Amino acid sequence: QQQVKQSPQSLIVQKGGISIINCAYENTAFDYFPWYQQFPGKGPALLIAIRPDVSEKKEGRFTISFNKSAKQFSLHIMDSQPGDSATYFCAATSTGNTPLVFGKGTRLSVIA
Amino acid sequence: ETGVTQSPTHLIKTRGQQVTLRCSSQSGHNTVSWYQQALGQGPQFIFQYYREEENGRGNFPPRFSGLQFPNYSSELNVNALELDDSALYLCASKRDSSSGNTIYFGEGSWLTVV
Repeated sequence: QQQVKQSPQSLIVQKGGISIINCAYENTAFDYFPWYQQFPGKGPALLIAIRPDVSEKKEGRFTISFNKSAKQFSLHIMDSQPGDSATYFCAATSTGNTPLVFGKGTRLSVIA
Repeated sequence: ETGVTQSPTHLIKTRGQQVTLRCSSQSGHNTVSWYQQALGQGPQFIFQYYREEENGRGNFPPRFSGLQFPNYSSELNVNALELDDSALYLCASKRDSSSGNTIYFGEGSWLTVV
């Protein structure tokens, strides 16, 4: 059973455009939602994370929007750049010793 | 720079063999987890260690085992390798066992089983 569903599987965005990646979760015990960026041949790097007590968190060009009632959260990349081309994973976990549950990833390509 | 170092970076093994992958995490990071990432997939949780004791395990068979050492290093051992074990193996660490603290990943070890 996949606990975190991520879409789209792949995304092509023009340079300067907005990239939007969506995730939905099932487990209401989840209380920490990070996004990871992964370049080919590299490990995942934490990009930004949110807790359900806020509806939005912004760090530079990256924003997480969180909808607790819908059990959905999304990553918005403003002014997308070719250097943002990577695979993005949403994840979720809950307080305690529980592991991260990852979505299947979105392959983002930003074209000039 | 995450402070999590994994070795080897790449290796090729034959079906049926055994492999040991190693990880060194930051001082003070008492929780270490291992994940398997198949090509084109998200990482899947294998198991987690806290202060040298296993305290969580994913849906992986017993031939996947691990160790955590007092010096913040750890190992993932896989016995009787199968072709489907070919994947990127990621080590992740964090400061303590509670969630919410930043989880740092290493660059991974690419295992190919032939």
